[in-house]
Amino acid sequence: GESVGLHLPTLSVQEGDNSIINCAYSNSASDYFIWYKQESGKGPQFIIDIRSNMDKRQGQRVTVLLNKTVKHLSLQIAATQPGDSAVYFCAGWDTGRRALTFGSGTRLQVQP
Amino acid sequence: KAGVTQTPRYLIKTRGQQVTLSCSPISGHRSVSWYQQTPGQGLQFLFEYFSETQRNKGNFPGRFSGRQFSNSRSEMNVSTLELGDSALYLCASSGTEGTEAFFGQGTRLTVV
Repeated sequence: GESVGLHLPTLSVQEGDNSIINCAYSNSASDYFIWYKQESGKGPQFIIDIRSNMDKRQGQRVTVLLNKTVKHLSLQIAATQPGDSAVYFCAGWDTGRRALTFGSGTRLQVQP
Repeated sequence: KAGVTQTPRYLIKTRGQQVTLSCSPISGHRSVSWYQQTPGQGLQFLFEYFSETQRNKGNFPGRFSGRQFSNSRSEMNVSTLELGDSALYLCASSGTEGTEAFFGQGTRLTVV
């Protein structure tokens, strides 16, 4: 079955630096991925998504890269701000279960 | 356009009781999924409803059930509550499966 995991549980960066959060997935049949941001006491907030027919997708200050060869996703946040401090999850769409399978999450801490 | 609304936000129940949580999806969205989030297990899929039909269910005991109404609002019920059911229960709505899934703020359930 699908499993989606994250390489690092906590990432600490300086304000203004770029952040890179990584995610690995095991099910090569997954064709859709989403990155979510979750702040304390809130539900996951949709950030950006990507389909498997793409390698890269850009949003406002965020870029998602997909490497299907090594089954790896990354989320890049440019000019990280204190408001970016949160837990970030990647999720892969499991076609069989019709559900998202989530990674364990990476906590991003932005140091002033 | 209103987001996903979950009620109540917080609940405290006693072991053995039952509880019903409610989710109103984004207008026009017909797919509603439920997830349980705990520190130990992360985000786990409970079940998914589309047009009043449960299309898939995660690996949870039969004490966890749900339903969806004709207006796409969904409820989930947990009977015979156990201490381990304490968690943040999240609802997500999608217009079409395998597309953007938007989450509500969640219901924080505490079983004592």
